[in-house]
Amino acid sequence: KNEVEQSPQNLTAQEGEFITINCSYSVGISALHWLQQHPGGGIVSLFMLSSGKKKHGRLIATINIQEKHSSLHITASHPRDSAVYICAVPTGGTSYGKLTFGQGTILTVHP
Amino acid sequence: ETGVTQSPTHLIKTRGQQVTLRCSSQSGHNTVSWYQQALGQGPQFIFQYYREEENGRGNFPPRFSGLQFPNYSSELNVNALELDDSALYLCASSSPGQGHNEQFFGPGTRLTVL
Repeated sequence: KNEVEQSPQNLTAQEGEFITINCSYSVGISALHWLQQHPGGGIVSLFMLSSGKKKHGRLIATINIQEKHSSLHITASHPRDSAVYICAVPTGGTSYGKLTFGQGTILTVHP
Repeated sequence: ETGVTQSPTHLIKTRGQQVTLRCSSQSGHNTVSWYQQALGQGPQFIFQYYREEENGRGNFPPRFSGLQFPNYSSELNVNALELDDSALYLCASSSPGQGHNEQFFGPGTRLTVL
């Protein structure tokens, strides 16, 4: 079993729909990252959170540390939201730069 | 404040050759982590450099080596390239004083080994 599991692997939506991507992890963590990767490769950090909820524009991230589960929500989805969304957790102990990544969720939003 | 930059953006090599990839960390960051992302996979941790010393390594053979300079920029060297080394190589910078887990990623170098 992977340390970080995401679901779904692929998600197709119509513009305006509410999107939810889930992430479960099996290790104790201090924080969890949500990242966005567009075709071409560059990764953008969306959120880093250790408890509760964070909101940025139409993006909302929540985490439940006890249940080892996090969700990323996109409200009023738009075609420009189409990308791969990845959750990642630090698993390196003192090597805190070591992130273990989920396999990613490929989101396609149609107009 | 400049972000994380990587060079080159694309690179084509043949099997057995050696390659050097470069990463400039974000201003004020003293830690650089390198990741390999094969097509269709999530990134895999290669190693991390903190204040010019290797500080943690993933499951990669010794032919993957690195270096960090006094200005905290970093190099990733791969010797005896194999076809499976074809991937996107990402670096990320961070700094303990600014929330030690928050990392800022560069755009990546896409390496193709023929």
